[in-house]
Amino acid sequence: EDQVTQSPEALRLQEGESSSLNCSYTVSGLRGLFWYRQDPGKGPEFLFTLYSAGEEKEKERLKATLTKKESFLHITAPKPEDSATYLCAVQAPGGFKTIFGAGTRLFVKA
Amino acid sequence: NAGVTQTPKFQVLKTGQSMTLQCAQDMNHNSMYWYRQDPGMGLRLIYYSASEGTTDKGEVPNGYNVSRLNKREFSLRLESAAPSQTSVYFCATPDVLNTEAFFGQGTRLTVV
Repeated sequence: EDQVTQSPEALRLQEGESSSLNCSYTVSGLRGLFWYRQDPGKGPEFLFTLYSAGEEKEKERLKATLTKKESFLHITAPKPEDSATYLCAVQAPGGFKTIFGAGTRLFVKA
Repeated sequence: NAGVTQTPKFQVLKTGQSMTLQCAQDMNHNSMYWYRQDPGMGLRLIYYSASEGTTDKGEVPNGYNVSRLNKREFSLRLESAAPSQTSVYFCATPDVLNTEAFFGQGTRLTVV
């Protein structure tokens, strides 16, 4: 069964304290792995798509990496405005069904 | 451009009442999706429409119906609301290559 597990459920950091969020997945034939950011009361906002093991993408303080079994979202020197829930999702062949993880709630304290 | 617009933003229903959630996109995308989001769970697909005139069941379709009214609009109907349908509902539309999805602001539905 296709599945996405994110850890930790919640992460509290001090401003400037770098860390990583994990997304483990099982899917037969990964078509793409997605990272989204979701602020309270809003819809998810797209961050990255990764397609193959070894691929990396960066945006400001965020870097996403992908292996055959998991993806990491590295946050370097976070700021309070990075506080949000980060969602990971995978897409299997066929393209229309995307499986989401439960998310990691990130809190960054000034 | 508004992107993806959902109405209403909030709704309280009594058990057994019906309602329709509306979604409209101005991005000229073919596909549209309805998800529900519950605490501690990932977004779960209710129904999707790959193109105008087609709809398919997702992971949790029971208790819901959908209509793809035209390319812009995709509505979700609850015929007889139940407390288990208390959730936040999101409409989304992926880009042409399915590389990213654009989400609406959500509808927070409470069934009492």
